[in-house]
Amino acid sequence: DIQMTQSPSSLSASVGDRVSITCRASQSIITYLNWYQQKPGKAPKLLIYAASTLQSGVPSRFSGSGSGADFTLTISSLQPEDFATYYCQQSYSVPRTFGQGTRVEIK
Amino acid sequence: QVQLVQSGAEVKKPGASVKVSCKASGYTFTTHYIHWVRQAPGQGLEWMGIINPNGGTPIYALHLQGRVTMTWDTSTSTVYMELSSLTSEDTAVYYCARDQIRGLIPFDYWGQGTLVTVSS
Repeated sequence: DIQMTQSPSSLSASVGDRVSITCRASQSIITYLNWYQQKPGKAPKLLIYAASTLQSGVPSRFSGSGSGADFTLTISSLQPEDFATYYCQQSYSVPRTFGQGTRVEIK
Repeated sequence: QVQLVQSGAEVKKPGASVKVSCKASGYTFTTHYIHWVRQAPGQGLEWMGIINPNGGTPIYALHLQGRVTMTWDTSTSTVYMELSSLTSEDTAVYYCARDQIRGLIPFDYWGQGTLVTVSS
């Protein structure tokens, strides 16, 4: 199985801050990397797929980069509605493993 | 519009089985895989398995093999996930999610989640 490791596991930031979350795969997954946002009591929401493609309807302040085994999700200017938990996931192979999540909290 | 609508919350005793349904609508059922993902209270997302509505054998997470069975009914566009020999560790919210068979867009629609509580 491909292991996905996110860092940090949590972070505190202020509205307007630039925030980056990293995700590392245990082997190359080319660009088969997706990012999800989850708010309490809700299903996850797809933000970015194929490492850098913004899902329809997702604000442009979200961006993704990387290839191979190292990836980054960046929020250029954090908004109040962005406080949530973020997960990376690989879609290179089955099982479709997720990272452990990064909780973004208000400073 | 695309929807995945899951069955309601369940409370089960240890050792029992639970069967959760996921009814798809708003798209052609056979164009997307359906995955099951669960989330224990306060924990992360755990992938459970995948079915291809066009046929073939479902693929399950290794640690759940022998306890999980995923089936589907093309006539009603419904997918089922049955988990047996339940323990308290199976208490979680269970989600279904679709995944393009031909394309790169993964898990773009999710069910609303089904809370399964295992308690004596």
